[in-house]
Amino acid sequence: AQTVTQSQPEMSVQEAETVTLSCTYDTSENNYYLFWYKQPPSRQMILVIRQEAYKQQNATENRFSVNFQKAAKSFSLKISDSQLGDTAMYFCAFMMGFRDDKIIFGKGTRLHILP
Amino acid sequence: NAGVTQTPKFRILKIGQSMTLQCTQDMNHNYMYWYRQDPGMGLKLIYYSVGAGITDKGEVPNGYNVSRSTTEDFPLRLELAAPSQTSVYFCASSNSRTVYGYTFGSGTRLTVV
Repeated sequence: AQTVTQSQPEMSVQEAETVTLSCTYDTSENNYYLFWYKQPPSRQMILVIRQEAYKQQNATENRFSVNFQKAAKSFSLKISDSQLGDTAMYFCAFMMGFRDDKIIFGKGTRLHILP
Repeated sequence: NAGVTQTPKFRILKIGQSMTLQCTQDMNHNYMYWYRQDPGMGLKLIYYSVGAGITDKGEVPNGYNVSRSTTEDFPLRLELAAPSQTSVYFCASSNSRTVYGYTFGSGTRLTVV
């Protein structure tokens, strides 16, 4: 069975700094998708970034980028120039390829951006 | 475009009561899901549906039931509520052809006392 592990329950960084959130996963599949979701205090789940396992190039979305290491089964999220609005719970998530659309979530990392 | 709409947003139930959490999406997504989020934990899949008339159990289905009579609606039924069902419930939908992850509803905070 696939598992997703986030080893950092909570982190704090100063505004404008860069922060990296860690995520590892376990699967025997070769085709899959990885996601980072943000959950601010409003409770809404927001997709931050996605990565297809067959793509070697790391995904980027503005200040958010990932370091995808397929062999190591690692999928970290880097937030550059962090802003107060980045304060949220961040969930790493895994989904197998087209055979199965179920997403498996890690337990989350609570990120505090300090003014 | 409303996306995924969940009602109610908050609810307090007494032990043994029943209720239905409503979920509606207007994106013509074929896949729909129910997750629960316990404090300090990630989301765990309760039930999911790949299309109207088709449902299947997820990781934590006990104490819940679902139905999918239309593409748009995917209600979650709690029978005989227990304190262990105190949680935040999220409904989500996706279009399996695009694989862009889920669109989530805003959640229902349920407390069973």
